Amino acid sequence: AQKITQTQPGMFVQEKEAVTLDCTYDTSDQSYGLFWYKQPSSGEMIFLIYQGSYDEQNATEGRYSLNFQKARKSANLVISASQLGDSAMYFCAMRGRPGTASKLTFGTGTRLQVTL
Amino acid sequence: GAGVSQSPSNKVTEKGKDVELRCDPISGHTALYWYRQSLGQGLEFLIYFQGNSAPDKSGLPSDRFSAERTGGSVSTLTIQRTQQEDSAVYLCASSSTGKETNEKLFFGSGTQLSVL
Repeated sequence: AQKITQTQPGMFVQEKEAVTLDCTYDTSDQSYGLFWYKQPSSGEMIFLIYQGSYDEQNATEGRYSLNFQKARKSANLVISASQLGDSAMYFCAMRGRPGTASKLTFGTGTRLQVTL
Repeated sequence: GAGVSQSPSNKVTEKGKDVELRCDPISGHTALYWYRQSLGQGLEFLIYFQGNSAPDKSGLPSDRFSAERTGGSVSTLTIQRTQQEDSAVYLCASSSTGKETNEKLFFGSGTQLSVL
């Protein structure tokens, strides 16, 4: 079974500052993938970034980067230079190796509020 | 279509009635997923279809819930004898094959179900 834990129900960050959203996971699979999604108030789920368990480099996508620490089983999302439009719910998710259940398992989310 | 389409966007029903929620995945995507999101909560997996394989129904909360996927495309989630605790946003997603760890899910805008 896979489990995602997001311990920060809510976070505040000032515009233009960086913020880290925490995510820890638990799995017995050796090969797995980690995802971050953003859900604005409109409700749509927007894919942000992906990290494979065997990827040697931390993933980056524009202002988003993933701080992957495999030994600690953590996959924190770092948003640099926060913008007001970053205010949303953020979900961490994982999928195990192909051939196992292919669904994504999601955490409970972190609500980020960007302030002026 | 260009994206995952769900209908209706909103559904209000009376306790005890049956409801059908529809999902039209991205053209060519063989994997389709249903999730439920209660107010302020994370995403709860319900069911997963992959090609012609038997669906993964492990997340369906009770036998009142069922889903089918006709012709490998459109899916319908049916909730019989609705209860107030069924009130939630029902999200549908699709991905290209469901066979790769790094496949991201593309989500629809969801159906907001309210059971009075």
